[in-house]
Amino acid sequence: SAVISQKPSRDICQRGTSLTIQCQVDSQVTMMFWYRQQPGQSLTLIATANQGSEATYESGFVIDKFPISRPNLTFSTLTVSNMSPEDSSIYLCSVGGFGMPQHFGDGTRLSIL
Amino acid sequence: DQQVKQNSPSLSVQEGRISILNCDYTNSMFDYFLWYKKYPAEGPTFLISISSIKDKNEDGRFTVFLNKSAKHLSLHIVPSQPGDSAVYFCAASAVLGNEKLTFGTGTRLTIIP
Repeated sequence: SAVISQKPSRDICQRGTSLTIQCQVDSQVTMMFWYRQQPGQSLTLIATANQGSEATYESGFVIDKFPISRPNLTFSTLTVSNMSPEDSSIYLCSVGGFGMPQHFGDGTRLSIL
Repeated sequence: DQQVKQNSPSLSVQEGRISILNCDYTNSMFDYFLWYKKYPAEGPTFLISISSIKDKNEDGRFTVFLNKSAKHLSLHIVPSQPGDSAVYFCAASAVLGNEKLTFGTGTRLTIIP
């Protein structure tokens, strides 16, 4: 399966600031996704990162808060904007393709003070 | 609306015995079901999947059973080993790989030596 690298692995940020998380895959993949896992909760899809076009967001998530880029088939970024303590979560990148299970990176553990 | 439910937040099993993790779903559109294992500070690791046209899929010590009429699936691990101690997530999607995964809340499995 693809090797997925996420950076940073963890960060502590001040409220009101923004952080960009990177997801790099060692091979071209069709689908890239961004999930969030809030403390004590399950994983929830934020958006599907589409190569060369705007991401597709799930209900409850908006582009102004979570802008996403996907310039090619191996790389994507997720920005968490104007952070508040409620944004403290693990953010995970996953990759997939038709007929294949999704595989996940190790996640970015974000704490907002 | 929790479409995928894991009603047991934790489970303890003696080493060498069988571990049975359960999952229920409500959405009839789900056609693929997956199990992931998650260690602390790591991303979820794919274990095994099953499509709705099957009722059983086996891979080594891991077997997943699907009861479509009851909208229920289970993961059997036999024999259980200390390295199996982790959080297990059940997930479902309408299409394997190309669509969002809907996750359950997870079951923490502890294998007692």
